[in-house]
Amino acid sequence: AIQLTQSPSSLSASVGDRVIITCRASQGISRALAWYQQRPGETPELVIYDASTLETGVPSRFSGSGSGTDFTLTISSLQPEDFATYYCQQFNSYPLTFGGGTKVEIK
Amino acid sequence: QLQLQESGPGLVKPSETLSLTCTGSGGSISTSSYYWGWIRQPPGKGLEWIGSIFYTGSSYYNPSLKSRVTISVDTSKNQFSLKVSSVTAADTAVYYCVRLRRNIANNWGQGTLVIVSS
Repeated sequence: AIQLTQSPSSLSASVGDRVIITCRASQGISRALAWYQQRPGETPELVIYDASTLETGVPSRFSGSGSGTDFTLTISSLQPEDFATYYCQQFNSYPLTFGGGTKVEIK
Repeated sequence: QLQLQESGPGLVKPSETLSLTCTGSGGSISTSSYYWGWIRQPPGKGLEWIGSIFYTGSSYYNPSLKSRVTISVDTSKNQFSLKVSSVTAADTAVYYCVRLRRNIANNWGQGTLVIVSS
């Protein structure tokens, strides 16, 4: 199974900060990577797929990049509603796997 | 807009079988565009894909659970179901049913907490 390693596992940031989360795959997955946001007590929601395509309705302050084994999720200017846990997921091959999550907390 | 809703017992005894059903409303699961799947999340932990099924019955399972998991579909009821046998405390989790497009979960049920305890 392809393993996904996210870093950091948690971070503290202020409103307006630029936040970067990384996801590294144990083998190449082309651009078959998605990012999900899970606010506390809520259901995960798709944010980005195909490494860099923004899901409909997601604010443009979110962006993704990368291919192969190294990927990043960037939030250009953190907003109060962005405080959440973010998960990456590879869909290159079965079994589908997720990263361990990155919790973005308020500084 | 399709909505997915999980249903089933919230408490299951160790060694028994966990059974959940996901019902779709506002859209049909009998579409060639999507797979339908289950993802779980133990309390305070991350996400784990359990398996996926096409409306024709073609399915894929996580090898870590494959020997204990069965996913089935009932298009007449617009439902798909999950069974996990021989459960232990490690199976305690919030179980989400999801719609998958190209193996990307773009529509999630609200999730249902299943506790394994005697």
